Amino acid sequence: DAGITQSPRHKVTETGTPVTLRCHQTENHRYMYWYRQDPGHGLRLIHYSYGVKDTDKGEVSDGYSVSRSKTEDFLLTLESATSSQTSVYFCATRDAAYEQYFGPGTRLTVT
Amino acid sequence: AQTVTQSQPEMSVQEAETVTLSCTYDTSESDYYLFWYKQPPSRQMILVIRQEAYKQQNATENRFSVNFQKAAKSFSLKISDSQLGDAAMYFCAYKSGGGADGLTFGKGTHLIIQP
Repeated sequence: DAGITQSPRHKVTETGTPVTLRCHQTENHRYMYWYRQDPGHGLRLIHYSYGVKDTDKGEVSDGYSVSRSKTEDFLLTLESATSSQTSVYFCATRDAAYEQYFGPGTRLTVT
Repeated sequence: AQTVTQSQPEMSVQEAETVTLSCTYDTSESDYYLFWYKQPPSRQMILVIRQEAYKQQNATENRFSVNFQKAAKSFSLKISDSQLGDAAMYFCAYKSGGGADGLTFGKGTHLIIQP
């Protein structure tokens, strides 16, 4: 395993509140990713990072922002959570051979 | 944009038999990578097998093998001697060569193993 942890693992929050999910890796991988998984959609890319302070948008980035101040940490922020953001969120890193390693996921419920 | 299609939402197979999961993709690129991931009820995403588009030989990992048809843009997964532990969601995924962007996933196939 690539040593990827996510926190929190479960969270329930109310509509309109800010939420930050944290991803931490110990493999010194340059590339990091945030995906969301919803029934019937597989995993979809939210944002990704290709280095410290270097990030870009993915397929479903509206309503989300990210930050990466250290190689090992990649934060996903929902500025004002909505019910449509109820999902399971996965962080991943990528090695030089394009293989991605996934964290255990965070189940977020927005009520 | 690339798309990945898994046309079988659910498949069922008897233990010890062979099953094939289908995946097709659409791309205009010549350099890319394809993956099959397994997601058991624990939710952990586990890489099963990968294929580089430039390699003509089909990838094999123990009981798992792929049938990569580049011209047809098809990438099916064959599981031989199915075991109860193979029960899971299986996702096909695409990555363009080069670039920092992430994987494009299909919607998944739920594999049921009948004892």
